[in-house]
Amino acid sequence: EIVLTQSPDTLSLSPGESATLSCRASQSVRTYLAWYQQKPGQAPRLLIYGASNRATGIPARFSGSGSGTDFTLTISSLEPEDFAVYYCQQRDIWPPVTFGQGTRLEI
Amino acid sequence: EVQLVEAGGGLVQPGGSLRLSCAVSGFDFNTHSMSWVRQAPGKGLEWIAFLSSGSSSIYYADSVKGRFTVSRDDARNSLFLQMTSLTVEDTAVYYCARDTIRGSYLTDFWGQGTLVTVSS
Repeated sequence: EIVLTQSPDTLSLSPGESATLSCRASQSVRTYLAWYQQKPGQAPRLLIYGASNRATGIPARFSGSGSGTDFTLTISSLEPEDFAVYYCQQRDIWPPVTFGQGTRLEI
Repeated sequence: EVQLVEAGGGLVQPGGSLRLSCAVSGFDFNTHSMSWVRQAPGKGLEWIAFLSSGSSSIYYADSVKGRFTVSRDDARNSLFLQMTSLTVEDTAVYYCARDTIRGSYLTDFWGQGTLVTVSS
């Protein structure tokens, strides 16, 4: 089973700052990695797929990078609505599909 | 507009059973694989089941294998999750989700979830 480890667990920033979230896989997942955003009481929303492709309707301030075992989600110039929990997910070697434990982005 | 609406959650006693459903609209259901993902209160996301289009491939997480059964009715645009031998560890919000293929499978849309509480 592929283990995804996200860091940090919590990131405290202010609107206008940039956020860098990390996801590390226990073995290579090539670029079959996605990022999801989840706000309280809501379902997850797809942000990034294929490590670096923005999903439809996702603002350009969200970007993803990486391949193999190390991935990064960058949010430039944080907006108030960006404060949420972010999960990475791998779909290269499955089942099982695995998620990281999440990074909480807070003000 | 893609929509997935789960139903069937509620309170059930340990050892009991429950059947969740997911009604979909806004896309060709019969051409998409589907997944169930759950989230225990205050915890992260856990994938639990996958069902391919045509039901040719079915996968389960070890945590639910042998207890949960996923199925679909393409004529009714619906996905189901039959859950048996429930334990308190199964308490969670259960999401159905649409899979698509972008190189590999990708979960791109999620329902709002239905809460299952297992308690005596």
